Amino acid sequence: QVQLVQSGAEVKKPGSSVKVSCKASGGTFSSYAISWVRQAPGQGLEWMGGIIPIFGTANYAQKFQGRVTITADESTSTAYMELSSLRSEDTAVYYCARLDCSSTSCYSPYWGQGTLVTVSS
Amino acid sequence: SYVLTQPPSVSVAPGKTARITCGGNNIGSKSVHWYQQKPGQAPVLVIYYDSDRPSGIPERFSGSNSGNTATLTISRVEAGDEADYYCQVWDSSSDHQLVFGTGTKVTVL
Repeated sequence: QVQLVQSGAEVKKPGSSVKVSCKASGGTFSSYAISWVRQAPGQGLEWMGGIIPIFGTANYAQKFQGRVTITADESTSTAYMELSSLRSEDTAVYYCARLDCSSTSCYSPYWGQGTLVTVSS
Repeated sequence: SYVLTQPPSVSVAPGKTARITCGGNNIGSKSVHWYQQKPGQAPVLVIYYDSDRPSGIPERFSGSNSGNTATLTISRVEAGDEADYYCQVWDSSSDHQLVFGTGTKVTVL
């Protein structure tokens, strides 16, 4: 069974960066896309970007272009999401999710437990 | 980018049927997936490819998709179904990204 285990909660100062990890077990890590989705307090789900580890190239939501970097380490089956220039509005729970895709669509049957990132001075 | 619109809330009595809509331009031409999220928990997939149910999801959950509206139907609603529900599509026209609906809070009366 696929499991995604994320790193622990973080408290960051405005202007700093945060890097969240997502370690996968069960299944083949390299061939499946990993997406990062965030959820601000009381708000909905927001896709940030994703990566297919075997290709190594990430794509990002326009909103986060230039501030987010998604990477993957095939040797440890771990994906990372780094968000820079943090502001209070970035306070949220950040989820990683493994995608199952066909030629026409993708969805997420597997999710990490979420990582709370709090941005506060 | 593609926009999915859901009603903010739906209220339903136990044993009745809840219908949650997800509106999008010609959404019937896309595959729609649905997630249930309870407070403090990660989302759980309840319907994929419009109407398929993952293993372990009760038959009470069903989905349909046509025209400009997709619908998640929960039959014989139970107290444990109280949660937020999100629809999702894959937008291959721009940035190849997941697009989520605005979310619907289902309250069991």
